[in-house]
Amino acid sequence: DQQVKQNSPSLSVQEGRISILNCDYTNSMFDYFLWYKKYPAEGPTFLISISSIKDKNEDGRFTVFLNKSAKHLSLHIVPSQPGDSAVYFCAASAGYSGAGSYQLTFGKGTKLSVIP
Amino acid sequence: KAGVTQTPRYLIKTRGQQVTLSCSPISGHRSVSWYQQTPGQGLQFLFEYFSETQRNKGNFPGRFSGRQFSNSRSEMNVSTLELGDSALYLCASSRDASGEQYFGPGTRLTVT
Repeated sequence: DQQVKQNSPSLSVQEGRISILNCDYTNSMFDYFLWYKKYPAEGPTFLISISSIKDKNEDGRFTVFLNKSAKHLSLHIVPSQPGDSAVYFCAASAGYSGAGSYQLTFGKGTKLSVIP
Repeated sequence: KAGVTQTPRYLIKTRGQQVTLSCSPISGHRSVSWYQQTPGQGLQFLFEYFSETQRNKGNFPGRFSGRQFSNSRSEMNVSTLELGDSALYLCASSRDASGEQYFGPGTRLTVT
């Protein structure tokens, strides 16, 4: 049972345009969500996170939106740059409030290609 | 500040052997988690340690074990290796596991 789903295995975007990566989850206990970027043969790099008490968090070119009622979050990258080309993983945990497990449950990833 | 380090980076073992992987977390981080990444299953949680105690364990057989030392460094051990254990093993550290986790570069284990 996949609790975190990234339904688009790949996404191509023109340089300078917006990249939107989507993620859906099923576990209502999740209260903390993270996005990671991963290059081949490297560990995931933390990008941005959001707790369930917020619906938006911004950090430079990266913005994460959380829609709890739809159990959906998205990562917006504006403007997209060729260096953003990587696999992006959505992850969730139930431990932010201290009540649940801290383990991260990952989606299968979306490969983003930014075309110059 | 130095990142999470993992040793060795690459390892080739034979079926039936055992292996020990090491992880040094970011200074000041007391929580260490281990994940397995395979092409078919993606990133899957193995276990998490905090102050030398295992707090959470994923759905892996007992052949997978770990421990954490007083300096927060952690090791994971896989006994009686199987071909299906071939994977990238990732270690992540965080201050208290309730927030973001920072990953090391991983150890690529190949079982032949």
